[in-house]
Amino acid sequence: GAVVSQHPSWVICKSGTSVKIECRSLDFQATTMFWYRQFPKQSLMLMATSNEGSKATYEQGVEKDKFLINHASLTLSTLTVTSAHPEDSSFYICSALEKGISSYNEQFFGPGTRLTVL
Amino acid sequence: AQSVTQPDIHITVSEGASLELRCNYSYGATPYLFWYVQSPGQGLQLLLKYFSGDTLVQGIKGFEAEFKRSQSSFNLRKPSVHWSDAAEYFCAVVGFGNFNKFYFGSGTKLNVKP
Repeated sequence: GAVVSQHPSWVICKSGTSVKIECRSLDFQATTMFWYRQFPKQSLMLMATSNEGSKATYEQGVEKDKFLINHASLTLSTLTVTSAHPEDSSFYICSALEKGISSYNEQFFGPGTRLTVL
Repeated sequence: AQSVTQPDIHITVSEGASLELRCNYSYGATPYLFWYVQSPGQGLQLLLKYFSGDTLVQGIKGFEAEFKRSQSSFNLRKPSVHWSDAAEYFCAVVGFGNFNKFYFGSGTKLNVKP
């Protein structure tokens, strides 16, 4: 099956620093990737939709200047949390849609990245 | 607006016992419904999905789910639970015409007693 990886799996940083999280589709090409945020005991919340070669589409309430998304290739999307603060601590999960597959078929999810901001 | 409710945060069952995880959705039209499972340190794995047709859907690992429009429910079932089924389970809904936007429930954590 299709595999999506995330790096790092966990990161601890100081308040005010920026953190980059990578999402890679390992054995398929993904024109569209999605970034989710999951708080403890809560739902996965879609943050943004990332399309290869174009600007990401952010959900309402998500600060695009704080959560920078780049989808420069068909196998890589990055999420950069800029000037991170403790309230940004969360579990970030990406998913990828295989090129040429209808969007309602299946999204393949990465294992997530645990971010802790001190 | 679409939403998904999983009323049970934690469920504990004995190995070999039957399982039912509840999912209720709110959506104005015909929904596309999914169940995912997440093990610690793993991504979400698709168990099964419902788009249309037969309301009883079979999935992987012996799971099934039944879509009941009158109750706005899509409960997940398994007749005999195995210890390896211990994980967190998420129900999700996608709206027709906006397939990219998944709405997830808050998840149900399943513990399996030996």
